[in-house]
Amino acid sequence: KQEVTQIPAALSVPEGENLVLNCSFTDSAIYNLQWFRQDPGKGLTSLLLIQSSQREQTSGRLNASLDKSSGRSTLYIAASQPGDSATYLCAGRGLTGGFKTIFGAGTRLFVKA
Amino acid sequence: GAGVSQSPRYKVAKRGQDVALRCDPISGHVSLFWYQQALGQGPEFLTYFQNEAQLDKSGLPSDRFFAERPEGSVSTLKIQRTQQEDSAVYLCASSLEVNYGYTFGSGTRLTVV
Repeated sequence: KQEVTQIPAALSVPEGENLVLNCSFTDSAIYNLQWFRQDPGKGLTSLLLIQSSQREQTSGRLNASLDKSSGRSTLYIAASQPGDSATYLCAGRGLTGGFKTIFGAGTRLFVKA
Repeated sequence: GAGVSQSPRYKVAKRGQDVALRCDPISGHVSLFWYQQALGQGPEFLTYFQNEAQLDKSGLPSDRFFAERPEGSVSTLKIQRTQQEDSAVYLCASSLEVNYGYTFGSGTRLTVV
């Protein structure tokens, strides 16, 4: 059964700092992994999707990596801004889990101006 | 439409009341998912539709929960005889196909009193 864990649960950084959010999953037979952003009281916004055949994806200041052998994914945010403050969730779809995508509990990020 | 639309945005139900939550996916999206999100947690999978076919309902917590998508577009999640533990945000997501990135709606916040 796929389980997804995110560390840290919360993070506070000064504006301009580069940071890394971590995601680990138990089933290395992963089909794809997505990173989402969620603002308070809102739905989820998809940031990056990495297919199992890929090692990383980049969008602007965001870079996500996937290492299936170690069961880890990281989301790198460069030059953080106060507008980046949100909860970041990773979600993995395993090959053996049917159609469901399993979410972590998220990392709550606060970027101080 | 441009995004996934969910209604109502908020719903307060008395314990034992039946509720119906609506999801309007992006036009042309084959895949539709329902998730339940408790406060401070990541979304939990409920059910998946491919067009009008419900291919996975393994996440529905009890037989009080029922979902349908009769014409392969709009979907309704129905909860019968609501209980306090049903209080959560119910999120709908759609994607072009199951392995593509998801677009989430803003969710329906259900409070059972």
